[in-house]
Amino acid sequence: EVQLLESGGGLVQPGGSLRLSCAASGFIFSSYAMGWVRQAPGKGLEWVSGISGSGDSTYYADSVKGRFTISRDNSQSTLYLQMNSLRAEDTAVYYCAVRILGAHFDYWGQGTLVTVSS
Amino acid sequence: QSALTQPASVSGSPGQSITISCTGTSSDVGGFNYVSWYQQHPGKAPKLMIYGVSNRPSGISNRFSGSKSGNTASLTISGLQAEDEADYYCSSYTTRSTWVFGGGTKLTVL
Repeated sequence: EVQLLESGGGLVQPGGSLRLSCAASGFIFSSYAMGWVRQAPGKGLEWVSGISGSGDSTYYADSVKGRFTISRDNSQSTLYLQMNSLRAEDTAVYYCAVRILGAHFDYWGQGTLVTVSS
Repeated sequence: QSALTQPASVSGSPGQSITISCTGTSSDVGGFNYVSWYQQHPGKAPKLMIYGVSNRPSGISNRFSGSKSGNTASLTISGLQAEDEADYYCSSYTTRSTWVFGGGTKLTVL
């Protein structure tokens, strides 16, 4: 059974940093691309970032480019999102998701809430 | 990247069919057969319902179907059931190697 468990969310001041983690199990982690998708309170889904199975290729939404860094540790089956220079508009539930069958997100974690506020 | 356009809400009675549209551009929906649909119940994570425009993952009811014409994709739910009441989001891969989601559609089962 595929399981994705996010952690690391919390309250942070504007301009601060936070690192999210996503622990994966139930599949061969290094074989599949992963991604982060966020959802602001009461709003829709927004794709944030993606990374290839090897970690060699990374992709970012314009809204986070230059501030967020996605990475993975295949030896630990863990996905990360380093978030710097956080803004109020980054407040959201952050989901990690895995791409197994193709260009879509097959399984999602339960999400972790990030609140950026002074 | 602008969000894909979905109706804010749709509704139907049990047993009826509804269709949710998802309009993009030739850089996303129209350019690839990589449209997917997700169901989200309140407080829950999204769940994949349709991928590759019209394919259902294992375990998804055949009451759910997808299609695409040009820059517009559609999700049809037939034989509406109470448990289908949820938010639905479309998504597409784009020419910039990114993904874009629709704004979401709230389905109400009357």
